[in-house]
Amino acid sequence: QQQVKQSPQSLIVQKGGISIINCAYENTAFDYFPWYQQFPGKGPALLIAIRPDVSEKKEGRFTISFNKSAKQFSLHIMDSQPGDSATYFCAATGGGGSNYKLTFGKGTLLTVNP
Amino acid sequence: EPEVTQTPSHQVTQMGQEVILRCVPISNHLYFYWYRQILGQKVEFLVSFYNNEISEKSEIFDDQFSVERPDGSNFTLKIRSTKLEDSAMYFCASSGLTGANVLTFGAGSRLTVL
Repeated sequence: QQQVKQSPQSLIVQKGGISIINCAYENTAFDYFPWYQQFPGKGPALLIAIRPDVSEKKEGRFTISFNKSAKQFSLHIMDSQPGDSATYFCAATGGGGSNYKLTFGKGTLLTVNP
Repeated sequence: EPEVTQTPSHQVTQMGQEVILRCVPISNHLYFYWYRQILGQKVEFLVSFYNNEISEKSEIFDDQFSVERPDGSNFTLKIRSTKLEDSAMYFCASSGLTGANVLTFGAGSRLTVL
């Protein structure tokens, strides 16, 4: 019940295209859903996040769509650029009190071709 | 921008040796975490720490692992007797009282056990 399932495992997109990464969760106690971006040799960095009381959040070229009834959320990268090439992890947390641990998906390796 | 600092960036050790990985979280943060990432795989939760005690630990975090916050600024992960399968990237993360679910990750310490 703690799992977050992410797909696809890898994605190749042409420059200017739309990248879409999907995640699904089971634990209804999760109440915060961030996306992290990781470049080789670096730690994960928070990209964008959403709470389940909204269905969409947009920051620049990055949009999260959230479907609470389906327990799914997705990351859309518009006008994808070669600099977006990285591994993207969806995550979820439902903690409080003394613990806000994140449960991560397995990651999606995005390659944006010039 | 405040950051989480980890040392060493890379450590090579012999199987059975003790290893200490060090982290300096963001100064006003209260929640601390260790995660690990085996090459090419997802980021896995190891342990969370709050108010000078472990708040949660995963199955990976067995008796060979321990954490400590010795002086109010450092947060360490000790592996008592390393195994080959401990080879991974270890990430420290922290979060504050405001935005406790927004974890900031360090750049990681790569541990290679021979």
